[in-house]
This record gives sequence, structure tokens and C-alpha cells, in this order.
Amino acid sequence: AQTVTQSQPEMSVQEAETVTLSCTYDTSENNYYLFWYKQPPSRQMILVIRQEAYKQQNATENRFSVNFQKAAKSFSLKISDSQLGDTAMYFCAFLNQGAQKLVFGQGTRLTINP
Amino acid sequence: EAGVAQSPRYKIIEKRQSVAFWCNPISGHATLYWYQQILGQGPKLLIQFQNNGVVDDSQLPKDRFSAERLKGVDSTLKIQPAKLEDSAVYLCASSLLGQGLDYGYTFGSGTRLTVV
Repeated sequence: AQTVTQSQPEMSVQEAETVTLSCTYDTSENNYYLFWYKQPPSRQMILVIRQEAYKQQNATENRFSVNFQKAAKSFSLKISDSQLGDTAMYFCAFLNQGAQKLVFGQGTRLTINP
Repeated sequence: EAGVAQSPRYKIIEKRQSVAFWCNPISGHATLYWYQQILGQGPKLLIQFQNNGVVDDSQLPKDRFSAERLKGVDSTLKIQPAKLEDSAVYLCASSLLGQGLDYGYTFGSGTRLTVV
């Protein structure tokens, strides 16, 4: 079974700083997808960024980028120029192409301070 | 497009009572999921439907939880009788997985259940 581990329960940075959230996963599969989701107090899970395992290039979406290390099974999220609106819970998630179900990590509570 | 709709948004019940949650997925999404998210944890899959058939219910506590998806569209999740440890947010999601079109989920805003 796949597992996803987020080792940072909470993080806090100042507005405009850069912050990196860590995620490791365990799988024996070769084809899979990795995601970072943001969950604000509204509880809605919002997709931040996704990475296909077969792609060597790291995904980037505006201020959000990932560092995908397939051999190390590591998938970190970097948020540049952090904004107050980035304050939320962040979840790393794994999707096995065959199983079609997301497996989530425990989450990291990120607070951006003014 | 309209999002995944869930109701109610909040529910407070006493232990041993029953409760039901409703989910309406995005139109055309064949796959529907119910997740349980206990406070401070990541969501855990309870059940996955493909159209109106169950694909995975291995983590559904079947002695008290039940779910159905009639006509492959709306779904209801029921708990009877509820226990204190069932207090959580229940998230519904839908996707085009299995239809070869997309690997993204769309989540609803969830129902926060408090059992007292």
C-alpha cells in the first residue's frame, strides 16, 4: 500500500518570504501522480500543483513549484513571495494510475504572518 | 462549470443517532468518492463509486456506515448509529478518472459532523 508522509505539522513564515513544505512517499509503482492540495478554513480542497512521475521536469504554477526526486521518493513544494492568502493546510497526495484513488499525507499547517 | 455540491454543511447529533450526507458531483463525472477527514489529519477514503457500482469500500466501517449512488449521479452516505469517533469532516469528490480524460479530483466543501 502507498503511504505519504509530511514531517512538518506546522510552519510559519513572514509575508514575501519563500517557504518549502516537505513530502515523502512510498510506492513500488512506476507510473503515478503527485499533488499538492491547499485546504483553507472553508474546507474546500484546492489543487495547487501536480506532477506526473514520468516527467523529469519539475512542475511550476506561478509562485508554486515542486522539487520532485523520484529515486528518493521526495516531493517538496516551494512557495515563493508568500502571501497572506497562502495561509492554509497543505496536503501532499499520491495517485496510483491503476487504483484511481488519492492517498493523502497528514498535512502541514502553514501560516503567513504580516 | 458547477462544483461538487454537498449538504448539509454542518450537523450536530447525539451518539447512537443516525445521520445522512448528500453529494451531487460534477455533471459527467463517473467516479465519486467519499473521504473522512478527522481533525488534524489528512482525508481517508471511505468508498469509491464508478457510475453506480462500488469500486473500493475496504475502509468503510460497514457495521455502521452505508453509501449508495443511485443512477450513477447523486450519492448519500449514512451513519447509523453514530459514535463519538465519527466526528469529522466528510468530503465528497468526483473525477473523470476511469474515463481517460483527466487525473484531477474536484472536491466539495464537506460536511462537518459533530457527535456529542
